[in-house]
Amino acid sequence: GQQVMQIPQYQHVQEGEDFTTYCNSSTTLSNIQWYKQRPGGHPVFLIQLVKSGEVKKQKRLTFQFGEAKKNSSLHITATQTTDVGTYFCAAQGYSTLTFGKGTMLLVSP
Amino acid sequence: SAVISQKPSRDICQRGTSLTIQCQVDSQVTMMFWYRQQPGQSLTLIATANQGSEATYESGFVIDKFPISRPNLTFSTLTVSNMSPEDSSIYLCSVEAYRGSSYNEQFFGPGTRLTVL
Repeated sequence: GQQVMQIPQYQHVQEGEDFTTYCNSSTTLSNIQWYKQRPGGHPVFLIQLVKSGEVKKQKRLTFQFGEAKKNSSLHITATQTTDVGTYFCAAQGYSTLTFGKGTMLLVSP
Repeated sequence: SAVISQKPSRDICQRGTSLTIQCQVDSQVTMMFWYRQQPGQSLTLIATANQGSEATYESGFVIDKFPISRPNLTFSTLTVSNMSPEDSSIYLCSVEAYRGSSYNEQFFGPGTRLTVL
């Protein structure tokens, strides 16, 4: 099955600093999804990227899909304490998702 | 969107017993999924629950250990059989929201936190 590698595993930033998590695959992906899981919560869908080179923004969050559709990134500008959680990328297979290991973000005020 | 509930929300069980987790969705959905998430880890797909047919299990998961029922389009159960401490985990069900050719996000239930002693 598909595998996606996600880095870093963990990042601790000061509020106001930027944050980026990266997702890489050895195979071309049909699409990639991003989810956020707050501590003690369940994963919540953020966005799906489908097109080569696609860039989407949601307020302070910027999502990119690589030209070769083998990598993706999520960048948060000027983090806030509400951004705390684990961010997962997930690769779409035929009918299932394969999740990366996630990046846990901790934001100190 | 879909609203998903799971029962129980948490349980503490003895080794060798079985626990059945229920997942209820507020709308009819074709595909339901069961995941396992160990503390601080990623989500691992156990199986896809298909209505009217047997569940499709991922590598490393078998029907005898994780029997699944899907009696209708809004409900599914996952049983964790003959439990051992290694089965301690959060079990999540999810459904796929199909919006057309480009959108198939998954909605997750709140999870069932299982501790096996």
